[in-house]
Formats: sequence, C-alpha cells, structure tokens
Amino acid sequence: RKEVEQDPGPFNVPEGATVAFNCTYSNSASQSFFWYRQDCRKEPKLLMSVYSSGNEDGRFTAQLNRASQYISLLIRDSKLSDSATYLCVVKGTLTGGGNKLTFGTGTQLKVEL
Amino acid sequence: GAGVSQTPSNKVTEKGKYVELRCDPISGHTALYWYRQSLGQGPEFLIYFQGTGAADDSGLPNDRFFAVRPEGSVSTLKIQRTERGDSAVYLCASRPTGSGGELFFGEGSRLTVL
Repeated sequence: RKEVEQDPGPFNVPEGATVAFNCTYSNSASQSFFWYRQDCRKEPKLLMSVYSSGNEDGRFTAQLNRASQYISLLIRDSKLSDSATYLCVVKGTLTGGGNKLTFGTGTQLKVEL
Repeated sequence: GAGVSQTPSNKVTEKGKYVELRCDPISGHTALYWYRQSLGQGPEFLIYFQGTGAADDSGLPNDRFFAVRPEGSVSTLKIQRTERGDSAVYLCASRPTGSGGELFFGEGSRLTVL
C-alpha cells in the first residue's frame, strides 16, 4: 500500500462547479498535512496546510479526519485558472523521520468553459 | 535570483554514464530535499539534508545514487552507471528550519537516459 493515495483523475468540471479531492495516508502517526498545486511542467507550490479543525482560504477548504486517515480539499466556484494537479502531502511517515514529506500521485483537475 | 536554482535544466546522457545534478537553495535555508518525478506521478522522495548531513536518505533507490552538501548550502545529486529507468525530472527543494511543510522547489533538472 502506498503511503499517500489519491485518485489520479482527471476531474473535468465546468467553470463555477464545486469539486472535492480526497487523499488517504497509511501512517496514523503522521504529523502534518498539506495540499500542493502543480501546473503542467512546473514545480509544485504550497496551496495550503491542513489543520485538524479544518481550514478555509477563499474558495478552498481543507479537512482532516485523523480517525479515518483521510484528507480532503474542496474547491468552490472553480475557475479556469484552477486547472492543475493537486498533490496531497504528508509529513513524517513510517519509513522516514519527522521531516520527510511524502507526496501522493496527484489529482488532475481540468476546469472547462 | 532569490529562488532555488537547479542546473542543468536538461541533461541527455547515454546508458552507463555518470551524471551530476546541482541545486543551489534559497540563502539561509538549512533544509534541502531531493525528489524525482516521472510523468503522471507525484514527486518521489530521495534524500533530505539538514545542514551538511543527510538526515534521511531512505528514498535513494540504490547505491548508484549519492548526494552531498559539503558546506550546508549547494547540493549535488550524483548518479553512477545511469539506466533508462533513471529518466525523470529531478526536483530540489529547500525550507528554513521550523517552517513546517512549505518547500520551495526549483524548476527541476530533466534527465533523459538514452
């Protein structure tokens, strides 16, 4: 089983739609969680951290369920510019130390007119 | 520039050759990471440095891969006897101590082994 699992997609949605991505992780002792965004042929960039209480940044909402080892990202009122790959990231895993960041395979989002 | 710099941006080599990829992190960032990314996959962890020492090298696939960071700044990823399966984008990232999970990535070095 992979340490961080995501549905690769692609998710094709119309502009203005709400879309949700899910991610599961295998190590219940993982410390911190993040969503990164990666545009085509570009480097990944931090989108937002994921806090236990859930957190929101504009149109983006991240949730963490430690009991189910599950992380989600919700994008409301999607824009064409949201088209990218969204990477789930977990910090501190079984096979590494506390500062190792493990990336999922990413979920591709395509927002269409 | 102020970002993470990686050279070369593209490297084409023949199977069996030796390759070095260089990473110049953001000034003052003590932590440095190497990842590699194949098409359609997420970045795969290779090694992490804290200062000059490799704090976690659990992701290096085999002994053909080695990385150094002798002065705690620039790092070099070295690949011996390259194989076609080594073809990927090699990403370097840095972060300051205690910054949580924000990694600042370079644009990557695309390695093609023929």
